[in-house]
Amino acid sequence: GQQLNQSPQSMFIQEGEDVSMNCTSSSIFNTWLWYKQDPGEGPVLLIALYKAGELTSNGRLTAQFGITRKDSFLNISASIPSDVGIYFCAGPFANAGGTSYGKLTFGQGTILTVHP
Amino acid sequence: DTGVSQNPRHKITKRGQNVTFRCDPISEHNRLYWYRQTLGQGPEFLTYFQNEAQLEKSRLLSDRFSAERPKGSFSTLEIQRTEQGDSAMYLCASSLVGRGSYEQYFGPGTRLTVT
Repeated sequence: GQQLNQSPQSMFIQEGEDVSMNCTSSSIFNTWLWYKQDPGEGPVLLIALYKAGELTSNGRLTAQFGITRKDSFLNISASIPSDVGIYFCAGPFANAGGTSYGKLTFGQGTILTVHP
Repeated sequence: DTGVSQNPRHKITKRGQNVTFRCDPISEHNRLYWYRQTLGQGPEFLTYFQNEAQLEKSRLLSDRFSAERPKGSFSTLEIQRTEQGDSAMYLCASSLVGRGSYEQYFGPGTRLTVT
């Protein structure tokens, strides 16, 4: 089945540092999404990517759709304490016929801790 | 603009009891999804609706689970004869049909603890 692998599993950084994390897949994805989840809450959509090579920003966050279509990257610049949380990549899960109906497959997450 | 809401936020039940969760999606969204999330993992797809039609169910959804979306608006997820392995966060998400269907907006979740 389709699996997404995120790395690193966790990061401990100082406030003000830049952060990079990535997500790789065994299969080609046509869409990549990045979510952030705070403890006890649902995931919040950060960025959606639709085209190989696409680079999209949302404030201090920048995400890229890898040209192989099997990976994606998320960068956070000048981290602040409220960036703490779990970051998930996700992509639409396709059935054996290659059709995706929007249901998402998620990675296992990258836990980010920011020290003030 | 109201987001996705879920009730209750927390549920503690004894093994063998039935529980029901409710999800109210974003009003103009016609797709509604249920996911389950256990500690240290990403959400896992359970089932989804387009309007009132349930179009797909995951193998994770055993016979004890049933979901409905009777009028194409809110949805309920019922678990019968709960087991300790059902303890998890149950997340609901909604989206539009089409390209935007990949942009799913999640509710706060219902945390189920089975004792």
